Amino acid sequence: SQQGEEDPQALSIQEGENATMNCSYKTSINNLQWYRQNSGRGLVHLILIRSNEREKHSGRLRVTLDTSKKSSSLLITASRAADTASYFCATSTNTGNQFYFGTGTSLTVIP
Amino acid sequence: GAVVSQHPSWVICKSGTSVKIECRSLDFQATTMFWYRQFPKQSLMLMATSNEGSKATYEQGVEKDKFLINHASLTLSTLTVTSAHPEDSSFYICSASARRTGDEKLFFGSGTQLSVL
Repeated sequence: SQQGEEDPQALSIQEGENATMNCSYKTSINNLQWYRQNSGRGLVHLILIRSNEREKHSGRLRVTLDTSKKSSSLLITASRAADTASYFCATSTNTGNQFYFGTGTSLTVIP
Repeated sequence: GAVVSQHPSWVICKSGTSVKIECRSLDFQATTMFWYRQFPKQSLMLMATSNEGSKATYEQGVEKDKFLINHASLTLSTLTVTSAHPEDSSFYICSASARRTGDEKLFFGSGTQLSVL
């Protein structure tokens, strides 16, 4: 299976704390993306990091990529209750024509 | 940002009937569309990749005759679940790639919850 794995599967934190999620994948990639999904809804793109990048920031989001370990992490700083959702990493293959999703992390931010 | 419209959002049908799900890119041309299936509290499983004007590429284990995909135009792809059975009940999500230079994001529809009785 091309599917990546994420950990933790579930994460519960207090509002204001930071949340860190990790993603591991199996094949060579063109880029890695993080998406957010609210329950029963479609996914929303958060951030994209290319295979030649090591770190990227977007607002309260910080993404790292280690291609030697085939892993990525997503850090959400100063979490808010509205950040409660499931977060998925997705990898794009070198052909760029397929996207595979990780197993997801369910984040709960307690007000 | 780009918008992908997916319809219907919820469908309940009897076993043996066929169900068609539409996925439209509203403000961009989607040369590639992807169909995913998601079970409760699980990740998205890629079912097939659909390129405009050509046959869809199905992932291993996905039945082509069961899940018919048509991508007749740059803004519309359809997934037809033929002779649906209870085990086909799932959340189906489409996404489209607006492939511009350096931009490889996926834009998702809001999903279709299929319940087969």
